[in-house]
Amino acid sequence: DTAVSQTPKYLVTQMGNDKSIKCEQNLGHDTMYWYKQDSKKFLKIMFSYNNKELIINETVPNRFSPKSPDKAHLNLHINSLELGDSAVYFCASSHTSRGQEQFFGPGTRLTVL
Amino acid sequence: EDQVTQSPEALRLQEGESSSLNCSYTVSGLRGLFWYRQDPGKGPEFLFTLYSAGEEKEKERLKATLTKKESFLHITAPKPEDSATYLCALARTDSWGKLQFGAGTQVVVTP
Repeated sequence: DTAVSQTPKYLVTQMGNDKSIKCEQNLGHDTMYWYKQDSKKFLKIMFSYNNKELIINETVPNRFSPKSPDKAHLNLHINSLELGDSAVYFCASSHTSRGQEQFFGPGTRLTVL
Repeated sequence: EDQVTQSPEALRLQEGESSSLNCSYTVSGLRGLFWYRQDPGKGPEFLFTLYSAGEEKEKERLKATLTKKESFLHITAPKPEDSATYLCALARTDSWGKLQFGAGTQVVVTP
């Protein structure tokens, strides 16, 4: 009974390819997030959706496009992958958009060659 | 600009050797200060939220405190299973869900 799940766990791909990461939460939360953790271990927020509506959109290249088909799912599509996109991407969810306690998924390690 | 700085970067402790981790911050309006634990290859796990200076929270061997400029995570008589990276994060009053994380303190507890 995983709370926040992500697929795939590992993703290795060539520069220029397009890839997607999927996230699902079964906690009944309204709000979901995407974070990027780079090689220096800094976690930075990228996007947040509240009930399928985009509410946080940080300065992220427009090659990154989140999509939330329903409030339990948040996907991240990345076009034209670059070397600098290599990182671990975490999905998280919280009960409301006030995000007091965020539950994180296990992460997707993306390696761009 | 808001800042979250954690120190030390790494900490090696003997089992039973108590210590403290520091998270200093600057923010124009603090809504909450959060502590998370992250094990290798896993996502961060929520530990505590502190809302106002003077507040303290405890969970097993961990105790978090907050002042107007910094937060401390005290680890009392640590065990090897307390080995992890501890992250602090802040949320501003005008953007609650947008957590800004520090770089973390990697703690290793040896038997």
